[in-house]
Amino acid sequence: GAVVSQHPSRVICKSGTSVKIECRSLDFQATTMFWYRQFPKKSLMLMATSNEGSKATYEQGVEKDKFLINHASLTLSTLTVTSAHPEDSSFYICSARPPSADYEQYFGPGTRLTVT
Amino acid sequence: GQNIDQPTEMTATEGAIVQINCTYQTSGFNGLFWYQQHAGEAPTFLSYNVLDGLEEKGRFSSFLSRSKGYSYLLLKELQMKDSASYLCAVMDSNYQLIWGAGTKLIIKP
Repeated sequence: GAVVSQHPSRVICKSGTSVKIECRSLDFQATTMFWYRQFPKKSLMLMATSNEGSKATYEQGVEKDKFLINHASLTLSTLTVTSAHPEDSSFYICSARPPSADYEQYFGPGTRLTVT
Repeated sequence: GQNIDQPTEMTATEGAIVQINCTYQTSGFNGLFWYQQHAGEAPTFLSYNVLDGLEEKGRFSSFLSRSKGYSYLLLKELQMKDSASYLCAVMDSNYQLIWGAGTKLIIKP
């Protein structure tokens, strides 16, 4: 099956610093990648849809200048949380969709971000 | 608005059967998904229904009624490792997933 990796799996950073999370599709090319965040005991919330070679589409209420998304290649998308604050502490999950698929999404293992 | 409803928590006994219900109201419909999520991990795909009826896959089965906006996930021969959250998600007309809040399933010996 298709494999998606995320790095790092856990990160602790100080308030005001920036953190970059990588999402890679290991054995397929992903024209579309999705970034989600999930608070404890809550559902996944879609933050943005990232298409290779173009600007990400952000969901309402998600600050694009705070959550920078770069989908520079067909196998890599990055999410940078800029000037992180404690309220940004969350579980961030990416997923990737193969080009030929309408509904398939393969999820990465997630990144636990803690901002102190 | 778009809405996915599923029970917050359910408890079942090892070896038994449990049915987790999901009702939805969305802008368009391109299929309904069930995912399993263990604490601290990403969701893993369980099933996909786009036509009415029952899809069986081993111990897990998923049912869909589009006219009723209703689905259920049926888990048979429950095992302790089935303790997890089960997420119902509907793909809308824009092929975006709308997620339910998940049902935490607790399996007792």
